[in-house]
Amino acid sequence: QQQVKQSPQSLIVQKGGIPIINCAYENTAFDYFPWYQQFPGKGPALLIAIRPDVSEKKEGRFTISFNKSAKQFSLHIMDSQPGDSATYFCAARGETSGSRLTFGEGTQLTVNP
Amino acid sequence: DAGVTQSPTHLIKTRGQHVTLRCSPISGHKSVSWYQQVLGQGPQFIFQYYEKEERGRGNFPDRFSARQFPNYSSELNVNALLLGDSALYLCASSFRTVIETQYFGPGTRLLVL
Repeated sequence: QQQVKQSPQSLIVQKGGIPIINCAYENTAFDYFPWYQQFPGKGPALLIAIRPDVSEKKEGRFTISFNKSAKQFSLHIMDSQPGDSATYFCAARGETSGSRLTFGEGTQLTVNP
Repeated sequence: DAGVTQSPTHLIKTRGQHVTLRCSPISGHKSVSWYQQVLGQGPQFIFQYYEKEERGRGNFPDRFSARQFPNYSSELNVNALLLGDSALYLCASSFRTVIETQYFGPGTRLLVL
C-alpha cells in the first residue's frame, strides 16, 4: 500500500528557478517528515526534516511547507543551481515504527544552466 | 570520518543462488536498517536491527534475513534469488531506534540474471 504519494515524477527548471515537489500521506500516525537527496550511484542524504507541530522550516535554500489538515507537505528549493540536479525523495515515519521510513517514489530534478 | 560502508559495491548472481550483503555503521551507531531500492522507485524498508535484535520487518518474504553482530555491523542474506530481487540494497545507521537522523550508505547494486 502506497502510503506516501509524491509528485511530479520529473521536473525541469532553469537556474535560479524555484522547483516545488509535493507529497501527500495517509497514515495519521506519521509524525516526522524528512526529505532526502540522491545522486546517481550514491545513497540518499538527508536534506531537511519537519515535525507536524510547525507549518514551515527553512535550512539554507531548502524550505519545507507542511499542511497537517490536508496531510500534505512540500519541498521548495530557492535559487536552484545545476548542482541541485538529483532525485529527491520525501519520506515519513511514525514514532511507534522505530527507524522505519516510508518513502515516496521520487522526483528527478534537472536544473538547466 | 567514515560514513556507512557497504560491501560489495556490485554483485551479479543467477536465479536460485544465495547472496550476503554487508554493512558497517557509523562508529557509535547501534541501529542498522536495510532498504531495497528498485530502479525508479523509492527505498522500501526490509529490516531494522538495534543492539543485535530485530526491531522491525517490512513486507518481504522469508527468503530475506538479516543479523547484527556485537560490533553493530550487519549482514543481509537473500536465499533463492529471483529476477525481481535485482535492486540497490541500502543500509542506514542511526545512534538509536527512536526518531533520529538516518545516514545511508552508498548501497550494493545486485543484478540477478
